[in-house]
Amino acid sequence: EAGVAQSPRYKIIEKRQSVAFWCNPISGHATLYWYQQILGQGPKLLIQFQNNGVVDDSQLPKDRFSAERLKGVDSTLKIQPAKLEDSAVYLCASSDTGGNQPQHFGDGTRLSIL
Amino acid sequence: AQSVTQLDSQVPVFEEAPVELRCNYSSSVSVYLFWYVQYPNQGLQLLLKYLSGSTLVKGINGFEAEFNKSQTSFHLRKPSVHISDTAEYFCAVSDRANAGNMLTFGGGTRLMVKP
Repeated sequence: EAGVAQSPRYKIIEKRQSVAFWCNPISGHATLYWYQQILGQGPKLLIQFQNNGVVDDSQLPKDRFSAERLKGVDSTLKIQPAKLEDSAVYLCASSDTGGNQPQHFGDGTRLSIL
Repeated sequence: AQSVTQLDSQVPVFEEAPVELRCNYSSSVSVYLFWYVQYPNQGLQLLLKYLSGSTLVKGINGFEAEFNKSQTSFHLRKPSVHISDTAEYFCAVSDRANAGNMLTFGGGTRLMVKP
């Protein structure tokens, strides 16, 4: 089966600019996650979708980050305006429904803020 | 709330030697436990998971882990490592009662296999 697809792989922007990331989950996976992974740290969950509804976004900086999952399939994560501390790898993952279902990760988007 | 501590940020080891990567967790509820591996410039790949039953879990690439409830640990082991095992390894937990399957990750352990 095809894995989780993310684009772009790399993005360099200046602070205060905006940026968007795209994710296409594994076909049939109802649950989609966005993580932020700062260099040298483990991934931190930003937002979780179940179909096209938000399950948890408690760690999403809502003043600058937004995410949507229209039609319950693809998802986009946007940052506007970007800050230096947003430099990180943004990982998308998907899973079947259920607490024991493993998450499958894409290769991520590496964001550098100048 | 849960937390995960990976006690070693880096573990250097010679090829064909055994290795153990340590993971301890803290949680007020029952948890599922996972180990993921991340190769450079790639996403995370599931190595193994503990859901229930036998406390010794076998995964891919010859890795295994043992769940110890009394010590709240889930250490990862491999009897003989290869150069190709060089990567970052992450331990993670999720709340059994949470159907949403939100993962809490440790800070990672970089395994460096030397020839």
